[in-house]
Amino acid sequence: AQSVTQLDSQVPVFEEAPVELRCNYSSSVSVYLFWYVQYPNQGLQLLLKYLSGSTLVKGINGFEAEFNKSQTSFHLRKPSVHISDTAEYFCAIHSTGGGNKLTFGTGTQLKVEL
Amino acid sequence: DVKVTQSSRYLVKRTGEKVFLECVQDMDHENMFWYRQDPGLGLRLIYFSYDVKMKEKGDIPEGYSVSREKKERFSLILESASTNQTSMYLCASSFQSTYEQYFGPGTRLTVT
Repeated sequence: AQSVTQLDSQVPVFEEAPVELRCNYSSSVSVYLFWYVQYPNQGLQLLLKYLSGSTLVKGINGFEAEFNKSQTSFHLRKPSVHISDTAEYFCAIHSTGGGNKLTFGTGTQLKVEL
Repeated sequence: DVKVTQSSRYLVKRTGEKVFLECVQDMDHENMFWYRQDPGLGLRLIYFSYDVKMKEKGDIPEGYSVSREKKERFSLILESASTNQTSMYLCASSFQSTYEQYFGPGTRLTVT
């Protein structure tokens, strides 16, 4: 069975500072990885995804993530955050042996302050 | 643009009532999903469907049932609502082959 761990439940950061949101996964087979964002009172929106190829993946709103197979990680980064990035971020995994389902982490609340 | 709509944004029901949550997608996706979202627990899969009239239990199916009579519509049913089912409910859909899920805006259900 696969699992996703987001160790940081909350990350406070000042505007224009860099941020990294951590995601580690566990799976015995090949994986596809996703980051979703949820703004207040909205559904989830896809930020980026890793399916294959380059391990550095660029997404929307200036976010990027790096797939590291040896460390089983898929950390999300942004070099300079804005107030509008305040939201909850979810890492998710699909394992090739896992049917059509995604397994989500518990989420990281990013709070950007002035 | 993919659109997933849910019938209500906010819903208040009494304990013991039968509750229907409706979800409609317009992208001809084969797969549809129902999650509940609770603080600190992330998203937990209740049920999913990979085809009309097909359904599979997710991680927390107890107290819920589902119906998929048409490809675009997936309903979640709470047969007898209880206070511990107060939560945010999210519907999602995806193609069979791409795994990327598209989400609706959610229904915040309160059971009193």
